[in-house]
Amino acid sequence: QLQLQESGPGLVKPSETLSLTCTVSGGSISSSSYYWGWIRQPPGKGLEWIGSIYYSGSTYYNPSLKSRVTISVDTSKNQFSLKLSSVTAADTAVYYCARTVTYAGGMDVWGQGTTVTVSS
Amino acid sequence: DIQLTQSPSFLSASVGDRVTITCRASQGISSYLAWYQQKPGKAPKLLIYAASTLQSGVPSRFSGSGSGTEFTLTISSLQPEDFATYYCQQLNSYPITFGQGTRLEIK
Repeated sequence: QLQLQESGPGLVKPSETLSLTCTVSGGSISSSSYYWGWIRQPPGKGLEWIGSIYYSGSTYYNPSLKSRVTISVDTSKNQFSLKLSSVTAADTAVYYCARTVTYAGGMDVWGQGTTVTVSS
Repeated sequence: DIQLTQSPSFLSASVGDRVTITCRASQGISSYLAWYQQKPGKAPKLLIYAASTLQSGVPSRFSGSGSGTEFTLTISSLQPEDFATYYCQQLNSYPITFGQGTRLEIK
């Protein structure tokens, strides 16, 4: 059974770069049937899509974050990663990684989420 | 960006009730719509994709319909475990967007 697990620091200082990794287990990240993404949820608020990546490395980012976001994939480690630069308190959120089925399949597998707090 | 507006934002209902949540898109998205259930402290769970296809393992009391700009999620007979927040999501075009959520609470 496919599982996703986020990892990374839970506390990041303002103006620094938030870095998270999502490890995929129980299946391969190298499949044309899926793409892989990051979603976040500020405390008490709704869901915001950050961006997605195909195993080939093609990326799509939310324009609202595009200037600060980089998503990359490491197929040898079955992982994909998120970097968000110049963070502020507004970036404090639970960050989820998720698998999306291509052609309108939805995000069918999610990580448990990791809380990232931006504070000095 | 495609905006998704859910209604209502808050819904109070009783076990056994039939409830419907609506999601309206700011422009046509064909059937590229998904519905999720989220409980406190948990990741969202996919219920419906392609507007009306039930995700494997999801009870049949959940159903989805619609295409274009108007979509609905229906729960035919509410169970205690269904009280949660529900989100719609469009995957027609980037950026992927979510509705603001509908919080379903016990009356």
